[in-house]
Amino acid sequence: KAGVTQTPRYLIKTRGQQVTLSCSPISGHRSVSWYQQTPGQGLQFLFEYFSETQRNKGNFPGRFSGRQFSNSRSEMNVSTLELGDSALYLCASSPAGMRSNSPLHFGNGTRLTVT
Amino acid sequence: AQTVTQSQPEMSVQEAETVTLSCTYDTSENNYYLFWYKQPPSRQMILVIRQEAYKQQNATENRFSVNFQKAAKSFSLKISDSQLGDTAMYFCAFGPPGSQGNLIFGKGTKLSVKP
Repeated sequence: KAGVTQTPRYLIKTRGQQVTLSCSPISGHRSVSWYQQTPGQGLQFLFEYFSETQRNKGNFPGRFSGRQFSNSRSEMNVSTLELGDSALYLCASSPAGMRSNSPLHFGNGTRLTVT
Repeated sequence: AQTVTQSQPEMSVQEAETVTLSCTYDTSENNYYLFWYKQPPSRQMILVIRQEAYKQQNATENRFSVNFQKAAKSFSLKISDSQLGDTAMYFCAFGPPGSQGNLIFGKGTKLSVKP
């Protein structure tokens, strides 16, 4: 079974631009979560989608948004990029999220650099 | 709000020896999940071990075991017979009940296994 796939692996953008990151979950997994990882703040939860609906959202500004498609693939978008958005963005999937007692399976992440 | 604290930013251990990584958390919940994840230089977060708070028995996975002290809100990871491949960042994570993919991570412990 293929793991969680995130594309692209690396991305360099300029302040003010917008960016879209993609995540394909493990086949059969319906929940997709996104995390931001930085040296200073560590891993922080962005949001979680299940069956195309956002079920939970972290404490990030509205510039961060996401969506999930009918095939469970998910995208996250960051608009009006700031230097502080430079981070590793991790996507994780699970069959149905924490309620099913299932652990998260993470992808290799997208390294975003904002200049 | 729940918090997770890993008090050891870095640790090192000789190959074949045993090492224990510390984690404490703060919560008023009674039922929750605790996890240890490993992040090698490849960046992919890998689940090491999981503990359900309502289970008193400590979880074990091959060379990895935990010491779960619910009253003390402590969740340490013991790695026996350390191997070079265990070199990685180790993150302790707390999963609130019904968190639906929203894990709260500690800042991590960088473990180096020396030959």
